[in-house]
Amino acid sequence: QQQVKQSPQSLIVQKGGISIINCAYENTAFDYFPWYQQFPGKGPALLIAIRPDVSEKKEGRFTISFNKSAKQFSLHIMDSQPGDSATYFCAAIPYNFNKFYFGSGTKLNVKP
Amino acid sequence: DAGVTQSPTHLIKTRGQQVTLRCSPKSGHDTVSWYQQALGQGPQFIFQYYEEEERQRGNFPDRFSGHQFPNYSSELNVNALLLGDSALYLCASSLPADDEQYFGPGTRLTVT
Repeated sequence: QQQVKQSPQSLIVQKGGISIINCAYENTAFDYFPWYQQFPGKGPALLIAIRPDVSEKKEGRFTISFNKSAKQFSLHIMDSQPGDSATYFCAAIPYNFNKFYFGSGTKLNVKP
Repeated sequence: DAGVTQSPTHLIKTRGQQVTLRCSPKSGHDTVSWYQQALGQGPQFIFQYYEEEERQRGNFPDRFSGHQFPNYSSELNVNALLLGDSALYLCASSLPADDEQYFGPGTRLTVT
């Protein structure tokens, strides 16, 4: 049973557009929600993370929107660039349990 | 400041053999987690080490074992390799009270 469901599986966006990736979870014990970016042949790199006490967090062109009641969170990449082309993973960690549950990933392709 | 390092980068083994993968955590980090990432999938938690002991474990068979040394570096051992063990093996380090995990570049294991 997948603890974190991620969509879409792949995404094509034009340069300058907005990329939106969604994740949903069921376990209400999750209290930390990071997003990771992974390039081919590399390990995942932390992009941005949020806790459930806030509904939105913005860092540069990256924004997490969090809906606690719906148990959903999403990553928005504003002004998408070809260099953003990578696979993005959402993840969740339960309270007091340092173990990540990852989504299945979204392969983003930003067309120039 | 060196990040998480892993060795070797690539490894090819034959079914039934045993393999040892190595990880050095980010400077100052004392907790090491191991993940298995199959092609096109999100990382799956194998186990976590803290103070030289296995603190948490995912749904992996006993063929997967590990060790943490006094300098916080860690090894992942896999016995009786199966074709399905072919994957990218990621090591992540963190502080015990910190949810942020930093990933290494991974070891690509191919079992033939």
